[in-house]
Amino acid sequence: AQSVTQPDARVTVSEGASLQLRCKYSYFGTPYLFWYVQYPRQGLQLLLKYYPGDPVVQGVNGFEAEFSKSNSSFHLRKASVHWSDWAVYFCAVKPGTGGYKVVFGSGTRLLVSP
Amino acid sequence: VTLLEQNPRWRLVPRGQAVNLRCILKNSQYPWMSWYQQDLQKQLQWLFTLRSPGDKEVKSLPGADYLATRVTDTELRLQVANMSQGRTLYCTCSADPGQGNNQAPLFGEGTRLSVL
Repeated sequence: AQSVTQPDARVTVSEGASLQLRCKYSYFGTPYLFWYVQYPRQGLQLLLKYYPGDPVVQGVNGFEAEFSKSNSSFHLRKASVHWSDWAVYFCAVKPGTGGYKVVFGSGTRLLVSP
Repeated sequence: VTLLEQNPRWRLVPRGQAVNLRCILKNSQYPWMSWYQQDLQKQLQWLFTLRSPGDKEVKSLPGADYLATRVTDTELRLQVANMSQGRTLYCTCSADPGQGNNQAPLFGEGTRLSVL
């Protein structure tokens, strides 16, 4: 069975600084990986998705993530954080060979300081 | 563009009473419909995925019992019973899990349930 670990429950970044949110996954086969964002009192929005191919994937609002099979990681990055990025970010994994159950990490709350 | 319409958006549920949730799919490109729960600590957990009209499944988790039904190609329902703690239920849709690269579940706005 697949699993996801987001080791940082909370990350604080200054506005304009760069950001990395960490995600480690566990799955023996080929994973499909996703990052979602949840703004206060809203549902989850898909930021970006990885399917086998280029390990660096681009998402919305300047976010990107890099897949590493050797490290079992899928870290999220952004070059310059904006105050509107204040939200909870979830990493998720799905089996690449069929199956429909998606497993989510526990989320990382991003706080942006002025 | 709204892919999913969930109702109600919020419900106060007296302890011991069941509540029925509804989700309507607006785009047939994503026919695999699922329910996820998010607890008060924001943990997300998959509950069900139902593809065909007539499909039904039941599940008991800490804090609530669930019955999911795929009513039509565009309608998914969820009955929540014996709820002891508040939670939010999200309906999602995705493309065929065996094909293509649109397999990320896309979320509705959710139904927030609180216990009275």
